[in-house]
Amino acid sequence: GEDVEQSLFLSVREGDSSVINCTYTDSSSTYLYWYKQEPGAGLQLLTYIFSNMDMKQDQRLTVLLNKKDKHLSLRIADTQTGDSAIYLCAETISGSARQLNFGSGTQLTVLP
Amino acid sequence: SAVISQKPSRDICQRGTSLTIQCQVDSQVTMMFWYRQQPGQSLTLIATANQGSEATYESGFVIDKFPISRPNLTFSTLTVSNMSPEDSSIYLCSVRQSGNQPQHFGDGTRLSIL
Repeated sequence: GEDVEQSLFLSVREGDSSVINCTYTDSSSTYLYWYKQEPGAGLQLLTYIFSNMDMKQDQRLTVLLNKKDKHLSLRIADTQTGDSAIYLCAETISGSARQLNFGSGTQLTVLP
Repeated sequence: SAVISQKPSRDICQRGTSLTIQCQVDSQVTMMFWYRQQPGQSLTLIATANQGSEATYESGFVIDKFPISRPNLTFSTLTVSNMSPEDSSIYLCSVRQSGNQPQHFGDGTRLSIL
């Protein structure tokens, strides 16, 4: 299928905010997801947003959705060294199984 | 959310052999999926595991290479057959408890073929 696009790398200083961006492809996606993948581990679901929402906040995480531009972002406030990981954006694909189409992931590095 | 256990967590295998990966969930789930993550790449869906019937494979994946079983609503296996070095990847099991719930993933199986 078409590509969900993300920047490959992002570096921030500890305590700063991180913003990870994603451009998705399917305008009829019902849910959009952010997963975190640490070295040697599987995928951890961080948060998700329903397509009829523009914003969702969950503690240090804020998700913004721009349906017109098919743009999704994840903001991490007060970024900590433990936030260093790969962050993957995923869209649901239209169809009965609601399969996921993943981006390539953004490697977030938090510098002390 | 469901607790997903995958076995083995990692393995090193010889070319031409086969390996079966198990995925056990602590509660009944509607949907189970198998993904592959090749080195440095994102996840690609291999197939949807259907309870009591043949799995639904994505383009580029075939049953002879990746046979899948799902005997009940909490368990599935993926076999990687006749392995070659190109099969070296992380294989991940994923579940969705019902239609509108998000997908959760196991910790994956890191497979290396010599």
